[in-house]
Amino acid sequence: GAVVSQHPSWVICKSGTSVKIECRSLDFQATTMFWYRQFPKQSLMLMATSNEGSKATYEQGVEKDKFLINHASLTLSTLTVTSAHPEDSSFYICSAITSDVYEQYFGPGTRLTVT
Amino acid sequence: GQNIDQPTEMTATEGAIVQINCTYQTSGFNGLFWYQQHAGEAPTFLSYNVLDGLEEKGRFSSFLSRSKGYSYLLLKELQMKDSASYLCAALDSNYQLIWGAGTKLIIKP
Repeated sequence: GAVVSQHPSWVICKSGTSVKIECRSLDFQATTMFWYRQFPKQSLMLMATSNEGSKATYEQGVEKDKFLINHASLTLSTLTVTSAHPEDSSFYICSAITSDVYEQYFGPGTRLTVT
Repeated sequence: GQNIDQPTEMTATEGAIVQINCTYQTSGFNGLFWYQQHAGEAPTFLSYNVLDGLEEKGRFSSFLSRSKGYSYLLLKELQMKDSASYLCAALDSNYQLIWGAGTKLIIKP
């Protein structure tokens, strides 16, 4: 159990366009979902924390108007990278937890390349 | 401030044993996680310690000392597939995960 999926697995887009990444908990209800970004050879960087039905909490330095997060249900959160630029190219990973277990279940990640 | 320290890189030989250390300073403490991450993939859960002592799970063991703010991950009978980054993360009083930068483990034949 505790499977998290992400879609798409990889995406290439042109500079200035927007990209939406979906994160789904397949067999459990995720009270909280996390969005991470990871640049090559670097550790995970938490971008934001989202709870179902409320606004996401963004980490310092993360632009909330550029990285739109929606957590509309207990099984789905989306991250939209608006007006993407080449420097946004990265590996984006989501994770989810339930209300009674603090282990984070990770999705497989989405590799974004902005040309 | 909150901080997690772990070595940047370690090298070990196939079949040997390696210990990856992690020290933490957090506002409150609700446990410590170890994750394994292969290049280009998402992290996968290895262990969770909240009480002092050693937890063994097959070839991997994890140790915690709360009084010292210290944990280690012990990998035995190393295999080439164990080449990966190992991430230490502490759960603070707000149940937020504070991540270390990861230790890249290189296994040589």
